Amino acid sequence: EVQLVQSGADVKKPGESLRISCEGSGYSFPNYWISWVRQMPGRGLEWMGRIDPSDSYTNYSPSFQGHVTISVDTSINTAYLQWSSLKASDTAMYFCARGEGIEVVTPSHFDIWGQGTTVTVSS
Amino acid sequence: DIQMTQSPSTLSASVGDRVTITCRASQTISNWLAWYQQKPGKAPKLLIYKASSLESGVPSRFSGSGSGTEFTLTISSLQPDDFATYYCQQYNSYWTFGQGTKVEIK
Repeated sequence: EVQLVQSGADVKKPGESLRISCEGSGYSFPNYWISWVRQMPGRGLEWMGRIDPSDSYTNYSPSFQGHVTISVDTSINTAYLQWSSLKASDTAMYFCARGEGIEVVTPSHFDIWGQGTTVTVSS
Repeated sequence: DIQMTQSPSTLSASVGDRVTITCRASQTISNWLAWYQQKPGKAPKLLIYKASSLESGVPSRFSGSGSGTEFTLTISSLQPDDFATYYCQQYNSYWTFGQGTKVEIK
């Protein structure tokens, strides 16, 4: 079964760092882009950025550039989303999602999604 | 940035109703549009891609149409499992989602 499994919920204080993970299985992980999507409480979906697992090349939405870091470890088929200093406004559910194959020249929809990771930032 | 606007924001309907949701793009996106269904606390589920292609395993009561800047998602006969929030997504230039349409029980 093709799936993405994310790390569990986390509660942090403002200013703390955090890294959440997304492990792929059932397919060739290095060959598909992975994106991260934010959903703030009661709100819609926002694309944050993506990574090519084969070479760690990243694209970020201007809204998130400089605020988060996306990385990957292909030895364990896992992508990461990281914050160095959390804010209360980072409280949200975060999803990873599989995009197009890395050899595909046009962007694509997201066919496989992780189950989501809830991040709560509160003092 | 390409903006996506869905209408309506909320839709009240009954089981068996035909339901249509509209999504408009701020500039032409060809047919690079997907529709997702999301239930509370769950991940979005892909329904339609490339504006009108039905994802494998998705019931045929779901259909999509449109190109350019105007798109629709139609549920031909609403079922109890279909009460959820629906999002459109453009992928012509990076990725942008509509604000969502909540389909609730009338």
